[in-house]
Amino acid sequence: AQKITQTQPGMFVQEKEAVTLDCTYDTSDPSYGLFWYKQPSSGEMIFLIYQGSYDQQNATEGRYSLNFQKARKSANLVISASQLGDSAMYFCAMRDNTGGFKTIFGAGTRLFVKA
Amino acid sequence: EAGVAQSPRYKIIEKRQSVAFWCNPISGHATLYWYQQILGQGPKLLIQFQNNGVVDDSQLPKDRFSAERLKGVDSTLKIQPAKLEDSAVYLCASRSQGLNTEAFFGQGTRLTVV
Repeated sequence: AQKITQTQPGMFVQEKEAVTLDCTYDTSDPSYGLFWYKQPSSGEMIFLIYQGSYDQQNATEGRYSLNFQKARKSANLVISASQLGDSAMYFCAMRDNTGGFKTIFGAGTRLFVKA
Repeated sequence: EAGVAQSPRYKIIEKRQSVAFWCNPISGHATLYWYQQILGQGPKLLIQFQNNGVVDDSQLPKDRFSAERLKGVDSTLKIQPAKLEDSAVYLCASRSQGLNTEAFFGQGTRLTVV
């Protein structure tokens, strides 16, 4: 069965510094995708970054990068140069690519950026 | 491109009443998801459609929840009768075909059961 674990309920970071949000996963599927979404207090879910299980390079999107360690089954999100607008909930998600493309989410990490 | 549309945005009902939520996915998106997000938690997948067929509904409380996707486009999620623990935000998302395509989410419907 698939499982996503985010062990950090809350994180603080100083503005302009980098922060790493942890995500570990478990799946028996050889092909899967890993996603990170941001959910501000307004409630919408905003897609940030994607990593495929067969991708050789770590994904990057602007200030976001995904530290993918397949052997450890971890897919940590790194946000560089934090901004006040980065304060939000962050969710790690996984989708299996060999079954029904079911997508499940972790419990989330609330990030607070301090001025 | 228009996003995922959901209505209503907010709903307050008494327990044991029924309620229905509507979702219009992005045009051409074959996959549609309904998630339940209880305050302070991550979204929980309730049901997933591929066109008008159900792919996964293993976490849908079928004694009270039902969902359909007519003609593989719009979808409705119904709760009958509602319980206090159903208070949550109900999120609809859709996705196009392809391995690396992300899901796009609607604004959600916030349900309060009193």
